[in-house]
Amino acid sequence: DTAVSQTPKYLVTQMGNDKSIKCEQNLGHDTMYWYKQDSKKFLKIMFSYNNKELIINETVPNRFSPKSPDKAHLNLHINSLELGDSAVYFCASSDRDQNTEAFFGQGTRLTVV
Amino acid sequence: KQEVTQIPAALSVPEGENLVLNCSFTDSAIYNLQWFRQDPGKGLTSLLLIQSSQREQTSGRLNASLDKSSGRSTLYIAASQPGDSATYLCAVPQTGANNLFFGTGTRLTVIP
Repeated sequence: DTAVSQTPKYLVTQMGNDKSIKCEQNLGHDTMYWYKQDSKKFLKIMFSYNNKELIINETVPNRFSPKSPDKAHLNLHINSLELGDSAVYFCASSDRDQNTEAFFGQGTRLTVV
Repeated sequence: KQEVTQIPAALSVPEGENLVLNCSFTDSAIYNLQWFRQDPGKGLTSLLLIQSSQREQTSGRLNASLDKSSGRSTLYIAASQPGDSATYLCAVPQTGANNLFFGTGTRLTVIP
């Protein structure tokens, strides 16, 4: 059973399109995250959600919007895609207790052409 | 602001060697430190979580140490195997939050 799963694994789309990436965790965690890994392989936090409440937004453009229908899901919607949005996006989850382990999905490679 | 650095950026060793990967962080007020492995085109696999109150954590051939006062952690891999080839990342929680600050990673190649 996959602990954190995200779909799709690959996404190729044209500039200006709107797309979504889905994420689900079956670990019972109360906090979920989206991270972006750029072309230099550096991972950086984008959002985290705890009990359906956004608690961090690291200066991400408002074209990106996380949506959490319940605590097991955190989807990422991206409007008006730009070339610079091309990256690998990772979903993760953990418990709010700061001494717990974080688990990551397999990533979604987004390519904007 | 927390900064996490990993040295070296890349490392090649022959199979069977023991090796050490280094991670340093600037803000020592951390609750824990986590080591991950990332295979090409794959997600992150958690290897070890070491609490701030611990000095070492072991899992199989892996041993992680943590020295908060000096802002350093090491990941020791014993008797390396070709299957250990991957990028290794260390990460620490942001102060007052749950999200992680990641290092730039060490790309390890174990040569058969």
